[in-house]
Amino acid sequence: IAGITQAPTSQILAAGRRMTLRCTQDMRHNAMYWYRQDLGLGLRLIHYSNTAGTTGKGEVPDGYSVSRANTDDFPLTLASAVPSQTSVYFCASSYAADSTDTQYFGPGTRLTVL
Amino acid sequence: GQNIDQPTEMTATEGAIVQINCTYQTSGFNGLFWYQQHAGEAPTFLSYNVLDGLEEKGRFSSFLSRSKGYSYLLLKELQMKDSASYLCAVKDSNYQLIWGAGTKLIIKP
Repeated sequence: IAGITQAPTSQILAAGRRMTLRCTQDMRHNAMYWYRQDLGLGLRLIHYSNTAGTTGKGEVPDGYSVSRANTDDFPLTLASAVPSQTSVYFCASSYAADSTDTQYFGPGTRLTVL
Repeated sequence: GQNIDQPTEMTATEGAIVQINCTYQTSGFNGLFWYQQHAGEAPTFLSYNVLDGLEEKGRFSSFLSRSKGYSYLLLKELQMKDSASYLCAVKDSNYQLIWGAGTKLIIKP
């Protein structure tokens, strides 16, 4: 692994189903983030984690949950998917959260909820 | 509220120069970032400004005026591969990135 990986690449999901998007980084970054990107809107922060064992809510957290059991992994779970969660989801990481460090992005997961 | 404004779309000619503007109103300021995003791909880091002035990096330069809440990204000697969206983002007082919607740059031969 080099950088950040996300899985799956794309997914079509029935409304009401549970789904976990996976994110793994091998850069030993402390901070990790989940964004969604919708046409005509800027990237919006869903949840973040400043360090392993801690998480926080971003701008649009409703309907999503995260966990950070270790440094490398930061999964995003949709407990009961709804069509408005159709989006492209990007995971990102940075060395530290409380600094001006650059965020590096994974390749994204394209999710369609029908 | 927090707001980042940038033009939705711009068109330029191969070999020319283009300037993409970004204005911002945020709760605090801990730096401004420019990212490039090709269609269907992830954003990639281009530049970072925290002090007023111009930062030059090859064909790309970025300018910041904190008093005016204004930045621009200057692309010189445009190439077809520069066709992409350019995202402006500001790190606020909580060190969270606030993103603009992006400027789609179309390069014509």
